Amino acid sequence: KAGVTQTPRYLIKTRGQQVTLSCSPISGHRSVSWYQQTPGQGLQFLFEYFSETQRNKGNFPGRFSGRQFSNSRSEMNVSTLELGDSALYLCASRPSAGGNNEQFFGPGTRLTVL
Amino acid sequence: AQSVAQPEDQVNVAEGNPLTVKCTYSVSGNPYLFWYVQYPNRGLQFLLKYITGDNLVKGSYGFEAEFNKSQTSFHLKKPSALVSDSALYFCAVRDLGGYNKLIFGAGTRLAVHP
Repeated sequence: KAGVTQTPRYLIKTRGQQVTLSCSPISGHRSVSWYQQTPGQGLQFLFEYFSETQRNKGNFPGRFSGRQFSNSRSEMNVSTLELGDSALYLCASRPSAGGNNEQFFGPGTRLTVL
Repeated sequence: AQSVAQPEDQVNVAEGNPLTVKCTYSVSGNPYLFWYVQYPNRGLQFLLKYITGDNLVKGSYGFEAEFNKSQTSFHLKKPSALVSDSALYFCAVRDLGGYNKLIFGAGTRLAVHP
């Protein structure tokens, strides 16, 4: 079974631009979560989607948004990029909404904002 | 609010020696605890989890973790370290109020020397 895939793997943008990152969960997984990883703040939760609905959102400004499609694929968008948005963005999927299953992470998208 | 702490930024171990990576947690209620490992330029890989049951949890690649409720700890252990175990290790707790949101520790870099 293929793992979580994220595209693109690397991205360079300039301040003020916007960016869209994509995540394809493991087949059959319906829950997708996004995390931001930076050297200073570590791993921080952005949001989680299940059945096309956002169920939880982390403490990030409204410039960060996401969505999930009917096939469980998810995208996150960051508008008006700032230098501080440079980070590794990780997507994780799990089979269901409830239970205690672990999350499976993709390789991440490395975003650099210049 | 739930939190986890990893008191050591780095742990150095000689190959063949036992290793321990420390994690303490603070939760209201029963904790759901996880260990993940991250290799350079990779996403997070699941190692093991504690939900309930036996305090000694066995995971992937020969790792195990001991849940200690009185000390609120969940230390990761391996009887004999390998150079290939060198990586960044994260302890995480599931946010009980946030569906599948994981709260991560700052990470501990494990360096295994030949």
